[in-house]
Amino acid sequence: EAQVTQNPRYLITVTGKKLTVTCSQNMNHEYMSWYRQDPGLGLRQIYYSMNVEVTDKGDVPEGYKVSRKEKRNFPLILESPSPNQTSLYFCASSFSRGSGQGKAFFGQGTRLTVV
Amino acid sequence: SQQGEEDPQALSIQEGENATMNCSYKTSINNLQWYRQNSGRGLVHLILIRSNEREKHSGRLRVTLDTSKKSSSLLITASRAADTASYFCATDTDKLIFGTGTRLQVFP
Repeated sequence: EAQVTQNPRYLITVTGKKLTVTCSQNMNHEYMSWYRQDPGLGLRQIYYSMNVEVTDKGDVPEGYKVSRKEKRNFPLILESPSPNQTSLYFCASSFSRGSGQGKAFFGQGTRLTVV
Repeated sequence: SQQGEEDPQALSIQEGENATMNCSYKTSINNLQWYRQNSGRGLVHLILIRSNEREKHSGRLRVTLDTSKKSSSLLITASRAADTASYFCATDTDKLIFGTGTRLQVFP
């Protein structure tokens, strides 16, 4: 079954404690991205990757890091989480950036609370 | 940078009625996509319309695109309680940018 898998689904952490949210897709997609969703603000892109070892900033990259060492995995790293990073996070993948045939497949989300 | 803006922000209708949601955007696009999100869950792709298309159908969904007005609409016909969800438009420029969504409530 084609899917994007995020872990964990729920996470409560303390300010400053490094954490990683994993994302894996089984569709051999080139393009992967991370979004955060906050009430009234919709989905905002944090980082995206067009292929292995190619990553770029989205609209709200501050406080986040990503890596793309393998095509299937795209982890989101918060080196020193702060309460304003409390949010619902989604990983997504597609064959392309969305142009042409691309449609995005989303993970189930990670609800992060930073206290 | 928010590209698409949906209107209305919230919509309540009875089962059997039609629901129309609108999306306006700012720049030229490759295509426009609509997604559905059940509360707190991942988004699910509904339909994609290319910039050279004006209308597209998929089951009870009808999407229109007017590139001259930079707007799109999503029509759900004969709505069901199970259609209750948030609906987002997403514009593809050099990346996929989502709007803030329309929250649809369908009452039985």
